[in-house]
Amino acid sequence: RKEVEQDPGPFNVPEGATVAFNCTYSNSASQSFFWYRQDCRKEPKLLMSVYSSGNEDGRFTAQLNRASQYISLLIRDSKLSDSATYLCVVNGNTGFQKLVFGTGTRLLVSP
Amino acid sequence: DAMVIQNPRYQVTQFGKPVTLSCSQTLNHNVMYWYQQKSSQAPKLLFHYYDKDFNNEADTPDNFQSRRPNTSFCFLDIRSPGLGDAAMYLCATSRGAGGYNEQFFGPGTRLTVL
Repeated sequence: RKEVEQDPGPFNVPEGATVAFNCTYSNSASQSFFWYRQDCRKEPKLLMSVYSSGNEDGRFTAQLNRASQYISLLIRDSKLSDSATYLCVVNGNTGFQKLVFGTGTRLLVSP
Repeated sequence: DAMVIQNPRYQVTQFGKPVTLSCSQTLNHNVMYWYQQKSSQAPKLLFHYYDKDFNNEADTPDNFQSRRPNTSFCFLDIRSPGLGDAAMYLCATSRGAGGYNEQFFGPGTRLTVL
């Protein structure tokens, strides 16, 4: 089983739609979680950090379920500019911060 | 603006010809990382420095070396690039090495091996 698993997509949605991505992780000791956004041929950029049960930033909501080892990202009112790959990233332990990356979920928002 | 800078953005080298990639940061972060990312794959950690302490991932090939001469700069040396080393190389930094330190990435260097 992979340490971090994501549905690769692509998710094709129209502008204005609500879309949700799921991510599962295998290390029950993981304590912090991140969503990064990566545009084609660019670097990952931090979208949200999730330290407790969830986090909300404008149209973006992340939720964490530790019991099920599951993180989600909800995007409301999708914009064309939201088209990107969304990487689920998990911190493995409280010592050295080695980030474990999922392979990403690709989102395509169309007019 | 504080940032992570990588040079060059694009690097073309020949099979077996050594190449050095550069990363600098104005964030004054303690930790610097090098990742390799191939198409449609997740970034793969090669090594990291916590200050001057070097930490190599177990599966990083010996062909890859790194230097951190000071807090701001970190270099990735590929001694004898093979065709399989063509990838995007990402430098990242974090303030500390605790569980809640976010990592910030530079724009990457895309390496082509001919």
